[in-house]
Amino acid sequence: QLQMQESGPGLVKPSETLSLTCAVSGGSITTSYYYWGWLRQPPGKGLEWIGSIYEATTYYNPSLHSRVAISIDTSKNHVSLKLTSMTAADTAVYYCARYNGGKLWAWGQGTLVTVSS
Amino acid sequence: SYVLTQPPSVSVAPGQTAKITCGGNNIGRKSVHWYQQKPGQAPVLVVYDDSDRPSGIPERFSGSNSGNTATLMISRVEAGDEADYYCQVWDNSRDLVFGTGTHFTVL
Repeated sequence: QLQMQESGPGLVKPSETLSLTCAVSGGSITTSYYYWGWLRQPPGKGLEWIGSIYEATTYYNPSLHSRVAISIDTSKNHVSLKLTSMTAADTAVYYCARYNGGKLWAWGQGTLVTVSS
Repeated sequence: SYVLTQPPSVSVAPGQTAKITCGGNNIGRKSVHWYQQKPGQAPVLVVYDDSDRPSGIPERFSGSNSGNTATLMISRVEAGDEADYYCQVWDNSRDLVFGTGTHFTVL
């Protein structure tokens, strides 16, 4: 049973860089045909795609493109997200997910990140 | 960028059929997926590729897609179906696009 667990700081200061990790268990992160994505959901609002990675190729939301970096560490079986220049508008629950054919089959439980000084 | 529009809220009495719409330009040409999200939980895929169900999802959940509107239908609505529902597509540039979300209430 594939499981994903997001981890990182729950509190980030404005202008700082957010670094999150998604640890994958019960399956290999190098499994063919699967994308690994990061999404977020501000409190009380809808879902927003941040970006994805597939076989070392990255795809980013155009609205976040200049601030985002997603990478895979095969030795640790995890996916990482870096988001620079954080502001209060970036306060959200951040999710990692695995998908293929554009449909997200598996999600992590999410981690709340608050941006505040 | 591609935009998906959903009604903010839908309410239905128990036992009735609910329909939640997702509007997008020529959405009928795309594969639409639907997610159910209960408070404090991650979304769960309930319908994929317009009308297919993952294993474990009740047959009460179904979908259709044509023209400019995709629809999620929940028949014989139960109290446990109360949740937020999101439609989603994968557009030509490999971007994931989500609908605005619908809060579904069982009266």
